[in-house]
Amino acid sequence: RKEVEQDPGPFNVPEGATVAFNCTYSNSASQSFFWYRQDCRKEPKLLMSVYSSGNEDGRFTAQLNRASQYISLLIRDSKLSDSATYLCVGSGGYNKLIFGAGTRLAVHP
Amino acid sequence: ETGVTQTPRHLVMGMTNKKSLKCEQHLGHNAMYWYKQSAKKPLELMFVYNFKEQTENNSVPSRFSPECPNSSHLFLHLHTLQPEDSALYLCASSQYSTGTVSNEKLFFGSGTQLSVL
Repeated sequence: RKEVEQDPGPFNVPEGATVAFNCTYSNSASQSFFWYRQDCRKEPKLLMSVYSSGNEDGRFTAQLNRASQYISLLIRDSKLSDSATYLCVGSGGYNKLIFGAGTRLAVHP
Repeated sequence: ETGVTQTPRHLVMGMTNKKSLKCEQHLGHNAMYWYKQSAKKPLELMFVYNFKEQTENNSVPSRFSPECPNSSHLFLHLHTLQPEDSALYLCASSQYSTGTVSNEKLFFGSGTQLSVL
């Protein structure tokens, strides 16, 4: 079983749509979780951390469900510029982050 | 600009060549990492250095040899690579966490796209 598992997509959505990604993790001891964004042929960049209480940053909302071992990312009012691959990341031990393979989002006019 | 600079951006090498990838960070971080990203696969952690000391070697073949002369610079020396080593090699840095919980946020360089012929 993969340590961090994501639906690869692609998710094709129109502008203005709301889209949600889920990610599951296998290590119940994982403490820290993040969402990174990676544009085509670019490096990953931190989008947001995921806290136990959930957190929101503008149109983006991240939530953590420890009981079911999954995290989610909700994007409201999708923009063309949101098109990218979204990487789910969990801590796999001290100083060690485990990345999912990513979920590709394509927002079209 | 993330504050992490990698060179070269692109590299083509034969299986008998020796080359080095370079990474420099200007963020004052004290942890540096090498990751490998192959097409449609998750990023694979290769090496971790904290305060210049290697703290993680994720079963990487010896044809990849890292070097960390100080907290700002990281190298990856390559020799006798195989075609399956072709990938994007990403350097990252973070602030070393002294607690028991790992909550580092990684800052990546632009990567070196490596092709082994």
